[in-house]
Amino acid sequence: QKEVEQDPGPLSVPEGAIVSLNCTYSNSAFQYFMWYRQYSRKGPELLMYTYSSGNKEDGRFTAQVDKSSKYISLFIRDSQPSDSATYLCAANYGGSQGNLIFGKGTKLSVKP
Amino acid sequence: EAGVVQSPRYKIIEKKQPVAFWCNPISGHNTLYWYRQNLGQGPELLIRYENEEAVDDSQLPKDRFSAERLKGVDSTLKIQPAELGDSAVYLCASSLDGRGYTFGSGTRLTVV
Repeated sequence: QKEVEQDPGPLSVPEGAIVSLNCTYSNSAFQYFMWYRQYSRKGPELLMYTYSSGNKEDGRFTAQVDKSSKYISLFIRDSQPSDSATYLCAANYGGSQGNLIFGKGTKLSVKP
Repeated sequence: EAGVVQSPRYKIIEKKQPVAFWCNPISGHNTLYWYRQNLGQGPELLIRYENEEAVDDSQLPKDRFSAERLKGVDSTLKIQPAELGDSAVYLCASSLDGRGYTFGSGTRLTVV
């Protein structure tokens, strides 16, 4: 079992839809959780960063962590065609303790 | 501020040939990472440097891969000899506090 599991999709939604992307993780020692967005032929770009449990909102994006169920979510409101990309969830222990462990990524397509 | 710079962007080589990738991290970022991303997968760590010291190279295939980070700034990742299975995108990232990483655009290696 990989430490961070993510459904690879692909996921296709119409413009304006609410998108829900999810990951599970197995290591309860993880403290930091991130979402990266990766456009085709580009490197991953940090989108959201959350410490421990709770929600964090940034514009149309909301990241949610539930440590009791080891579940990580990213919600995108009013999705746009420019949101079409692969979304990678990642986790680590924090600071110099360990490295970012990534999920496989979910490929999202937002149709106009 | 310039991001993480990687070169070359693309490389096609025949199997058994050597290849090298170069990375210039964000100025002031002491931690540097090399990740490998296979098609349809999330990035997987190869090696992590703290300044010029390789602090985690447990996932680096040492029989054919080597890396160095002279003076704690730029880094080079080398493969010799390359195998067909080494075809992937090689990503370099840097970090100030070990949490949010900034990635370069990667080097796409094709071994034929």
